Amino acid sequence: GAGVSQSPSNKVTEKGKDVELRCDPISGHTALYWYRQRLGQGLEFLIYFQGNSAPDKSGLPSDRFSAERTGESVSTLTIQRTQQEDSAVYLCASSNRGLANEQFFGPGTRLTVL
Amino acid sequence: RKEVEQDPGPFNVPEGATVAFNCTYSNSASQSFFWYRQDCRKEPKLLMSVYSSGNEDGRFTAQLNRASQYISLLIRDSKLSDSATYLCVVNGLNNNAGNMLTFGGGTRLMVKP
Repeated sequence: GAGVSQSPSNKVTEKGKDVELRCDPISGHTALYWYRQRLGQGLEFLIYFQGNSAPDKSGLPSDRFSAERTGESVSTLTIQRTQQEDSAVYLCASSNRGLANEQFFGPGTRLTVL
Repeated sequence: RKEVEQDPGPFNVPEGATVAFNCTYSNSASQSFFWYRQDCRKEPKLLMSVYSSGNEDGRFTAQLNRASQYISLLIRDSKLSDSATYLCVVNGLNNNAGNMLTFGGGTRLMVKP
């Protein structure tokens, strides 16, 4: 079946512009996660959606970052007034609710802020 | 102290070697443990879950020590294709304990001919 997809795969933007990143989770997965991974670094948790519960936004680094999810489907991560330090790969993952909790990752969006 | 801590490496080993990675976690209430693998410029993928009794999958063996709060991954007979970053992953380290996974920074393995 289809895996997690993300778009765009690459995004180059100028400092100060807004960007919107999209994630399509695996159908039926109730949980969706966004992570940031800077070059050579580990995964940094950003935000977590679980069904209709309020999202866990504890990982968002500043109020320039926000995310939405429509029901249990598509999610968008928006970064306003981008800064050079926002340059990273943004990874989305989805999982079924359950003890196994395996997360399936999308290929990521590589964001470069000039 | 980081919630999930790993030696970043790199571990440089010859083909055929046995290599072991350790990972420590801070929350004694954590319930689920995993090793993920991440190839260069690719997304992480699940390598194996870690069970209390320890488990083996081919050349890979995972162990959990709850008392000491560490997890290990042993790779026997290393192959060139094992070169990757290995991520230790633990659940239940935030308020939404049920489904939240926390990733360690990863240990980089390089297997040389």
